[in-house]
Amino acid sequence: AQKVTQAQTEISVVEKEDVTLDCVYETRDTTYYLFWYKQPPSGELVFLIRRNSFDEQNEISGRYSWNFQKSTSSFNFTITASQVVDSAVYFCALSKGDSNYQLIWGAGTKLIIKP
Amino acid sequence: DAMVIQNPRYQVTQFGKPVTLSCSQTLNHNVMYWYQQKSSQAPKLLFHYYDKDFNNEADTPDNFQSRRPNTSFCFLDIRSPGLGDAAMYLCATSRESPGLAFYEQYFGPGTRLTVT
Repeated sequence: AQKVTQAQTEISVVEKEDVTLDCVYETRDTTYYLFWYKQPPSGELVFLIRRNSFDEQNEISGRYSWNFQKSTSSFNFTITASQVVDSAVYFCALSKGDSNYQLIWGAGTKLIIKP
Repeated sequence: DAMVIQNPRYQVTQFGKPVTLSCSQTLNHNVMYWYQQKSSQAPKLLFHYYDKDFNNEADTPDNFQSRRPNTSFCFLDIRSPGLGDAAMYLCATSRESPGLAFYEQYFGPGTRLTVT
């Protein structure tokens, strides 16, 4: 069965601290895709990154970085020098194997950045 | 610059009174989705259109229907809203081709539905 686990329900840090959001997935597919989405209080889900199973290179985009490790089935997300605007719920998602369009979603991690 | 537009942003309806939510996109994506999201839970897929083909999730209540008159527009009809249908409804789009890469979905701002 496919599954995405975001064990951290809520994380609270002070602004400028680094924070890592964990995502662990389960799948038997050899080809799969992983995603991170951000959902700020306004409600819109914002796409952050897509990674396919053949590309294990880490990704950096400004203060955001992603660490994909197939050996541990993890796709963790780090925010460096966090800012109040980073406060949101972050979802990790996995492509569903028998479809080209459905996602298996994690439960989400609520990130609170205190000024 | 809005790519996926949802109207209205907030909708209040009465118990049992039909309501329609709308979604439009400027991305020319062939797939459109409707999700229901409650209380910061993960979004729950209700159904999606692959081009004109409608695909319903097995656990989506019959109370929920959808229409896609053209590539750009998609509607969610709730025939008889109950209190349990109060939620955020999210529209999303993606470009897909069978057997090819799995692409990201782009979401609209959502419509928050209140049932009184």
